[in-house]
Amino acid sequence: QSVLTQPPSASGTPGQRVTISCSGSSSNIGSNTVNWYQQLPGTAPKLLIYSNNQRPSGVPDRFSGSKSGTSASLAISGLQSEDEADYYCAAWDDSLNGPPWVFGGGTKLTVL
Amino acid sequence: QVTLKESGPVLVKPTETLTLTCTVSGFSLSNARMGVSWIRQPPGKALEWLAHIFSNDEKSYSTSLKSRLTISKDTSKSQVVLTMTNMDPVDTATYYCARIVGAISWYFDLWGRGTLVTVSS
Repeated sequence: QSVLTQPPSASGTPGQRVTISCSGSSSNIGSNTVNWYQQLPGTAPKLLIYSNNQRPSGVPDRFSGSKSGTSASLAISGLQSEDEADYYCAAWDDSLNGPPWVFGGGTKLTVL
Repeated sequence: QVTLKESGPVLVKPTETLTLTCTVSGFSLSNARMGVSWIRQPPGKALEWLAHIFSNDEKSYSTSLKSRLTISKDTSKSQVVLTMTNMDPVDTATYYCARIVGAISWYFDLWGRGTLVTVSS
């Protein structure tokens, strides 16, 4: 059971805009920034969004992130077949009794 | 070019101790505001954070695995080592090391390719 909650799956057709949600609590998303990782099949995760809405160099501006309260979202516009992957949200957690890093359970994005 | 590379046994027996090494290049483990984490992923499942160590030697462990984990670093060798005792088949997973960076907030900016560890007799 992951600390952050994501929908297990999402889908869209090429060119569409899809969003993936990530829900947490006051000790993680509510008080810290959110990061998003893309994991293509058979590969290691790759940083997609950091500090809620910042894109590392090389990440297309089709990818965007936002945060409000204890929830965050990843939006992908102009969906492409190469975007088919698993997406994970992550955040630092201030809880005294839990790990400092928490992940979502991942969302498998299918491009129809 | 910054890289991280995991190494260790492919197969371990139940109750054995697993030792994994993350060898980094392109940056120093003594760099301020940097660290290295170990994260694992069982086949077909989600990512699970295990441990981290920062340049100032600050360490932290997964709450559920704390009694079994030890993380350390050898700055001169550019290596971070994770040991996990009393291995069980449920520990079968791909183990990743990732660099931690951040100015205001922390995040994993680069990951190794991972190493698959199977626990079986």
